[in-house]
Amino acid sequence: AQTVTQSQPEMSVQEAETVTLSCTYDTSESDYYLFWYKQPPSRQMILVIRQEAYKQQNATENRFSVNFQKAAKSFSLKISDSQLGDAAMYFCAYFAGANSKLTFGKGITLSVRP
Amino acid sequence: DAGVTQSPTHLIKTRGQQVTLRCSPKSGHDTVSWYQQALGQGPQFIFQYYEEEERQRGNFPDRFSGHQFPNYSSELNVNALLLGDSALYLCASSLPTWDGTEAFFGQGTRLTVV
Repeated sequence: AQTVTQSQPEMSVQEAETVTLSCTYDTSESDYYLFWYKQPPSRQMILVIRQEAYKQQNATENRFSVNFQKAAKSFSLKISDSQLGDAAMYFCAYFAGANSKLTFGKGITLSVRP
Repeated sequence: DAGVTQSPTHLIKTRGQQVTLRCSPKSGHDTVSWYQQALGQGPQFIFQYYEEEERQRGNFPDRFSGHQFPNYSSELNVNALLLGDSALYLCASSLPTWDGTEAFFGQGTRLTVV
């Protein structure tokens, strides 16, 4: 069974600094997708960034980038120039077409200090 | 575009009662998935509907059932409520592809069982 592990329950970053959120996963599939979702207090899950496993190039979206290490099954999220609005819970998620469902980690609470 | 809408936003039920939660998918989406998110945890997959059929199911008892209507909206029904069913229930809609196409989430229904 696929599993997603986020071992850090909380992290804090100073505004304008950079922070990295860690995620590891386990799968026997060769073709899959990885996501980072943001869940603010409004509760709505918002997609931050998406990575296709067959692509070696790390995905980037403005201030957000990932470090995807397929062999190590590691998928970390880097947030640059942190902003107060980045404060939220962040979830790492896995998707493989064979089961057509998202498997989420437990999440990490990110706080941003002004 | 209204996005994914869920109703109600909050509700309180008594143990043993039954509850129905509703979801309208994003325009153009015909696949609806339901997730249960316990406090401080990541979402857990309940089931997915496509073409009015349950296509995939997670590890949830038969007390959890669903339905999809011809307009692609969906309902989640939970019978014989337990205290442990208290959670945020999230609905996500997507296209029925296998490539990890983005799933859009609603703001959820907060269910409290007393």
